[in-house]
Amino acid sequence: DGGITQSPKYLFRKEGQNVTLSCEQNLNHDAMYWYRQDPGQGLRLIYYSQIVNDFQKGDIAEGYSVSREKKESFPLTVTSAQKNPTAFYLCASTPRGVSNQPQHFGDGTRLSIL
Amino acid sequence: SQQGEEDPQALSIQEGENATMNCSYKTSINNLQWYRQNSGRGLVHLILIRSNEREKHSGRLRVTLDTSKKSSSLLITASRAADTASYFCATDAGPPFWSSGDKLTFGTGTRLAVRP
Repeated sequence: DGGITQSPKYLFRKEGQNVTLSCEQNLNHDAMYWYRQDPGQGLRLIYYSQIVNDFQKGDIAEGYSVSREKKESFPLTVTSAQKNPTAFYLCASTPRGVSNQPQHFGDGTRLSIL
Repeated sequence: SQQGEEDPQALSIQEGENATMNCSYKTSINNLQWYRQNSGRGLVHLILIRSNEREKHSGRLRVTLDTSKKSSSLLITASRAADTASYFCATDAGPPFWSSGDKLTFGTGTRLAVRP
C-alpha cells in the first residue's frame, strides 16, 4: 500500500537535545511538507521541499532543520534552539506543488519534553 | 499565519442531522480544500473546490465557495457517529500572492461531535 510513514509515533526530548523525526513516502511524490499542530489549533508550516536537494522555510522554521537527500525521505530535526517543541508533527506530500492537488498525510509524531 | 478561520469552533449534533461548517479567508485563492482529522491521526483530504467553481458534491458532502465573500461552507448530510472528527479548510494562494510559494494555509478547525 502506498502512503506516508512517520516514526516514531511518540518521542521525548531532554533539555538541550536535538531529535529527528522521520518521514518516508512511497507515493513517488516530488513535494513534501512538515507541519506543527498545537492542541486545538490548525496546522502551521515548518518547512517544505518541492524537489530533492532543495527546501524552503515555512512560517515557523526557527529551531528546526530539514534535509532532502532522497525523494522518498524528508526528516525533520527539532534542535535545542526550539524552546517549545511540545506538539504534534505531521508530514505530508503531493505529486508536485499544491496547486489543485490534495495533500497526503502521515499519522504524525507526538513530541514531548522530559 | 493562518488565513482560514472556521466557524463554529465546535459543533455537537444528533446522528442523522446535518452539520454545516463555515470557513472564511483573507486573500485571493486558487482553490480551497477541506480535510478531516480523527483524534491523534493525520489529515484526510475530503474535497477540493477551485476558485471558478461555486459548488461541489462528494457523497454526503456538499461544499460551496463564495469568492466575493471569501468564504466556503462544508455540509455533511445525514451525519453518522463515524463523522466525529475535526474539519479544516485550507487555501492555496492565488494572484497576486503567487510569491508565497506552493503551500497550503490551514484554518483553526471545527470539532464535530455526532451523538449516537
